Amino acid sequence: DAGVIQSPRHEVTEMGQEVTLRCKPISGHDYLFWYRQTMMRGLELLIYFNNNVPIDDSGMPEDRFSAKMPNASFSTLKIQPSEPRDSAVYFCASSALQGRYETQYFGPGTRLLVL
Amino acid sequence: GDSVTQMEGPVTLSEEAFLTINCTYTATGYPSLFWYVQYPGEGLQLLLKATKADDKGSNKGFEATYRKETTSFHLEKGSVQVSDSAVYFCALKGETSGSRLTFGEGTQLTVNP
Repeated sequence: DAGVIQSPRHEVTEMGQEVTLRCKPISGHDYLFWYRQTMMRGLELLIYFNNNVPIDDSGMPEDRFSAKMPNASFSTLKIQPSEPRDSAVYFCASSALQGRYETQYFGPGTRLLVL
Repeated sequence: GDSVTQMEGPVTLSEEAFLTINCTYTATGYPSLFWYVQYPGEGLQLLLKATKADDKGSNKGFEATYRKETTSFHLEKGSVQVSDSAVYFCALKGETSGSRLTFGEGTQLTVNP
């Protein structure tokens, strides 16, 4: 299996620009998670989906952030407009519920720098 | 709410030294507990897990035992290698938190030859 695929791996943009991060989960997984990692705040869950439906978006920082999952094999996280404080590594993870337990598998991350 | 507290890093050890990274948690009921590892430039990988009290998770020489009485899940390895240098995250999934994982702050481990 190819694992969770994220693109781009690196993104440098200027403040005010729109940024779109992409994720392809592991085939057959029905949960998808978006995380943000920074030195100051550590690893934060932004939003997660189950069967393409957003379940918990309480971690989404503000209206500038939006996430979609149009089908089981693709999700996007969009920031519009971007700000320097959005600079971070963004991880996508996916999992499948096996009985009561599940394991989240993480992608390699997108390193975002907003100038 | 649920929370995880890890020992502060960074931790620096010599090769073949014994490793302990402390992790304690706060959660209602019986959460599932995890250790994830993040190598430089990569995403997190599951290292081991335990889903009920007194369970011992183990993988690649690492072990952790789910201690309900002390709400702890300390990570140990008897003899570390340079290749174990990474950031280690303790995490829990609460009984009432759906699929949300709560992570600790992470502990940076550096192993010198």
